[in-house]
Amino acid sequence: LAKTTQPISMDSYEGQEVNITCSHNNIATNDYITWYQQFPSQGPRFIIQGYKTKVTNEVASLFIPADRKSSTLSLPRVSLSDTAVYYCLVGDPDQTGANNLFFGTGTRLTVIP
Amino acid sequence: NAGVTQTPKFRVLKTGQSMTLLCAQDMNHEYMYWYRQDPGMGLRLIHYSVGEGTTAKGEVPDGYNVSRLKKQNFLLGLESAAPSQTSVYFCASSPAGLAGGINTGELFFGEGSRLTVL
Repeated sequence: LAKTTQPISMDSYEGQEVNITCSHNNIATNDYITWYQQFPSQGPRFIIQGYKTKVTNEVASLFIPADRKSSTLSLPRVSLSDTAVYYCLVGDPDQTGANNLFFGTGTRLTVIP
Repeated sequence: NAGVTQTPKFRVLKTGQSMTLLCAQDMNHEYMYWYRQDPGMGLRLIHYSVGEGTTAKGEVPDGYNVSRLKKQNFLLGLESAAPSQTSVYFCASSPAGLAGGINTGELFFGEGSRLTVL
């Protein structure tokens, strides 16, 4: 099971860029890195996924160094509505089974006015 | 645009009672999952299914049973509820694999079912 380690919590002021780093030292060759966002009383929602280097979409950027043993989710100019728990998952989406479905405890981001 | 629908959304049980949570998805996804989430904790996988008629155990399967008789439905059963099963239950579905890079294996979640066992 590809396990991940994230900070338990982070605080940020509105308008700042927030970077959340996830460690995954035992990532396998076919594993992808996926980030989810969860608001209170809701199910998690997919944010972004990547394999290497940098991926950007309308919501966030994902930076993955060459050794792929860590990744950083970057949220530009956060707002109060970005307050949520963020989960980093590592696994092979092309494989069945639970190896790519381990959510862990996530990082609780609190955005301060 | 229903996506993943869970019923019921809330339920209170007495210890020893049984119940079934229903998950339905209209996206023709192959894979379906049941998670539980306890206060302040992440999601833990209970059972999952990779196709109609198949099920498999996840991280915390004890005390639960599942069935996938139809592709669009995944049922989670509690035969004899215990207070330790008080939790929020989330169902999710996903397409099968990366399909040549088209899919991301993204999990689509329902809104959750809050279960309290007294």
